Amino acid sequence: DSGVTQTPKHLITATGQRVTLRCSPRSGDLSVYWYQQSLDQGLQFLIQYYNGEERAKGNILERFSAQQFPDLHSELNLSSLELGDSALYFCASSGGELAGGLGETQYFGPGTRLLVL
Amino acid sequence: AQSVTQLGSHVSVSEGALVLLRCNYSSSVPPYLFWYVQYPNQGLQLLLKYTSAATLVKGINGFEAEFKKSETSFHLTKPSAHMSDAAEYFCAVSTHGSGNTGKLIFGQGTTLQVKP
Repeated sequence: DSGVTQTPKHLITATGQRVTLRCSPRSGDLSVYWYQQSLDQGLQFLIQYYNGEERAKGNILERFSAQQFPDLHSELNLSSLELGDSALYFCASSGGELAGGLGETQYFGPGTRLLVL
Repeated sequence: AQSVTQLGSHVSVSEGALVLLRCNYSSSVPPYLFWYVQYPNQGLQLLLKYTSAATLVKGINGFEAEFKKSETSFHLTKPSAHMSDAAEYFCAVSTHGSGNTGKLIFGQGTTLQVKP
């Protein structure tokens, strides 16, 4: 158990809908990362927040957005869902000992499996 | 741009045999390198991490990896495979040039099968 929790574990929805994925980082961790794992694209970095502020963006679609709240939990919002958005979405957290930067070890949650029908 | 290449999407070994999973990276500056393992229906678990302190890095569950700058490689090895090692293994890199972020660039993964 990494200490990172994600809810829900599974999500089935229809095209065009909007969903919210939630992540609670390990106690005391300041950085939260979101990754998408799909069969065709592999594991891809989406976005990072550090202590409530966006730190880095990866291959995140404009239909997707995220935020980190004052209690450090994070939410990933996916809207206008398409079939191709079906994937496993991971949240990871890191301690902030390097200010959310290079080399910090990330601890991954169990993921949310999204199926868009 | 940084990238990671894992040679072999599928590796099969017999129980007790040497495990060798290959990873090559591209980076213009010294990187941080990681190996993660993913068991079925679970998240990623850190096996080991290279931070330039030592070229041979020992991790959990008997795994180790050697950083070879001249070969831009960070291959993962284990002397004797156990059935419980069957999983998917990911090599990842974090390096300069992306601003002050610890984001990881992952390889495509290697599925390790262990035969009895």
